[in-house]
Amino acid sequence: EVQLVQSGAEVKKPGDALRISCKGSGYSFITYWISWVRQMPGKGLEWMGRIDPSDSYTNNSPSFQGHVTMAVDKSTNTAYLQWSSLEASDTAVYYCARHGITAAATSYFDYWGQGTLVTVSS
Amino acid sequence: DIQMTQSPSTLSASVGDRVTITCRASESITKWLAWYQQKPGRAPKLLLYKASNLESGVPSRFSGSGSGTEFTLTISSLQPDDFAVYYCQQYDTYSRFGGGTTVEIK
Repeated sequence: EVQLVQSGAEVKKPGDALRISCKGSGYSFITYWISWVRQMPGKGLEWMGRIDPSDSYTNNSPSFQGHVTMAVDKSTNTAYLQWSSLEASDTAVYYCARHGITAAATSYFDYWGQGTLVTVSS
Repeated sequence: DIQMTQSPSTLSASVGDRVTITCRASESITKWLAWYQQKPGRAPKLLLYKASNLESGVPSRFSGSGSGTEFTLTISSLQPDDFAVYYCQQYDTYSRFGGGTTVEIK
């Protein structure tokens, strides 16, 4: 069974660093890109960027360029989303999602993590 | 940057109704469009991909059509489990979601 299991909720202060995780299982982790999606409170879905687990190549949405970074650890089948300095406006639920097309950068998303709530408040 | 516009933003309907949601792209995305359903506190769930392909396990009352810049999601007979928010997603160039359509009980 394909699963993406994300790390738990976080409460941080503005300026803090943070890394959240997404662990894949039940499939060949390096064969499918992973995307990250933001959902701010009461709002819609926003695509943030994607990473190829086979070589860590990334593409960011222009809206998120320079503010977040993505990484993977192939040895543990885990993808990461990280911030060096959080802002209050980063408060949101963050989802990881597996690309449904094998080895494809552009794809729909067939499996999703359960989401990680990040709260940034002073 | 391809923009996605969904309409309506909210739709009130009754069980058994036929429901149609529209998604328009700012430029042609051929058929690279997916539809998702999201319920409160849950991750989105893939319903259809490549405009009209039904994801495995999704009821056949859901269908999709369109190409180029205009697409529709149709629920042929709305069921109680279908009250949710629906999103379209283009995956022609990078990715972008529409603003969402809330299907609520009339």
